[in-house]
Amino acid sequence: GQNIDQPTEMTATEGAIVQINCTYQTSGFNGLFWYQQHAGEAPTFLSYNVLDGLEEKGRFSSFLSRSKGYSYLLLKELQMKDSASYLCAVRDSNYQLIWGAGTKLIIKP
Amino acid sequence: EAGVTQSPTHLIKTRGQQATLRCSPISGHTSVYWYQQALGLGLQFLLWYDEGEERNRGNFPPRFSGRQFPNYSSELNVNALELEDSALYLCASSPGTVSNQPQHFGDGTRLSIL
Repeated sequence: GQNIDQPTEMTATEGAIVQINCTYQTSGFNGLFWYQQHAGEAPTFLSYNVLDGLEEKGRFSSFLSRSKGYSYLLLKELQMKDSASYLCAVRDSNYQLIWGAGTKLIIKP
Repeated sequence: EAGVTQSPTHLIKTRGQQATLRCSPISGHTSVYWYQQALGLGLQFLLWYDEGEERNRGNFPPRFSGRQFPNYSSELNVNALELEDSALYLCASSPGTVSNQPQHFGDGTRLSIL
């Protein structure tokens, strides 16, 4: 079966750095997406990785290792507004998006 | 550019009734996806439409159905509503099956079953 694993919850301090991991086992691979979802709101697109390596976008970076079935989202200079759930999703060989359950990130002052 | 729009924002129904939720994708997007998100839980995939055809459906009973119109807008219909159908229903769109394009989400319809 297809599976995506993320930690359920993480806590970090304002101004610090946090890394949210995602491991996946899917039928084929056509890219990995990270989304942010604030409570009660719709998910918003953060990043896309299809090749191995690091993609940097401001305070957010995303890394992919296809051979290990592994990705992480790195958030730097954490702000209180970064408190949200972070969703990892993989597009499989049928172009179906397989979603992780999300990681709830709590930022403390 | 207008984003994905969903209507209504909120919908209150009673058990056994039927609900219809609507979604207009971003202009130029041909794929529409429906998701259910119960309170505090992850996204559960419901349906995927592309170019008017159903491409895939998730593990939901047949009382969850939908369609996509020639203008690529979509409807989700839920028959014989049950209490556990109470959730946020999210619609997303993308430009077909181009692999590097993300899905963009609407603000959702919150369905409450009394």
